[in-house]
Amino acid sequence: KNQVEQSPQSLIILEGKNCTLQCNYTVSPFSNLRWYKQDTGRGPVSLTIMTFSENTKSNGRYTATLDADTKQSSLHITASQLSDSASYICVVPFTGGGNKLTFGTGTQLKVEL
Amino acid sequence: TAGITQAPTSQILAAGRSMTLRCTQDMRHNAMYWYRQDLGLGLRLIHYSNTAGTTGKGEVPDGYSVSRANTDDFPLTLASAVPSQTSVYFCASSDGTGDTDTQYFGPGTRLTVL
Repeated sequence: KNQVEQSPQSLIILEGKNCTLQCNYTVSPFSNLRWYKQDTGRGPVSLTIMTFSENTKSNGRYTATLDADTKQSSLHITASQLSDSASYICVVPFTGGGNKLTFGTGTQLKVEL
Repeated sequence: TAGITQAPTSQILAAGRSMTLRCTQDMRHNAMYWYRQDLGLGLRLIHYSNTAGTTGKGEVPDGYSVSRANTDDFPLTLASAVPSQTSVYFCASSDGTGDTDTQYFGPGTRLTVL
């Protein structure tokens, strides 16, 4: 059973629009949650790391939120650009695993003109 | 800045053959990792090394071996490749093994086993 579930699986939006991607996790105990961006044919790149005590964190046009009580996180992208087209992956450390990570399957975002 | 380099970029390999995927980082990071990424699945950890001279098994270690003779290099070896090892392989590194240490990924190696 995947301990990190993401939705939607894929999404198409027009350039300039906003969007929100969702992540639900069941890993426990919980220490932090990460969002990565993966361009096609490239390795993932870290966007944010949020600890259980943080409920929002921004990185430019990307804003991540975290609700540790409901075990949900979201990634909001503002004023989307063509270069935002990528897979966005939610990541949580293994239970008791320190820096060993459990990856979601990602949301594939396509930004169109 | 090079960061993490992986070689080869892609490879087609006959089943039963052996192969070593190379990974080198220039950030002097202590920890290194090997993942595989398959369609419809999240990245899965194969092996890791918290520091030079030590290695550990991840989620899917069977059929793979690693070594960490020095800080910079972390090769992944397939002793006798099978078609189910067809995948994209990513090497990553992090400065430490703390809960919030960022992992930096290489560009990947696309391996096809026929």
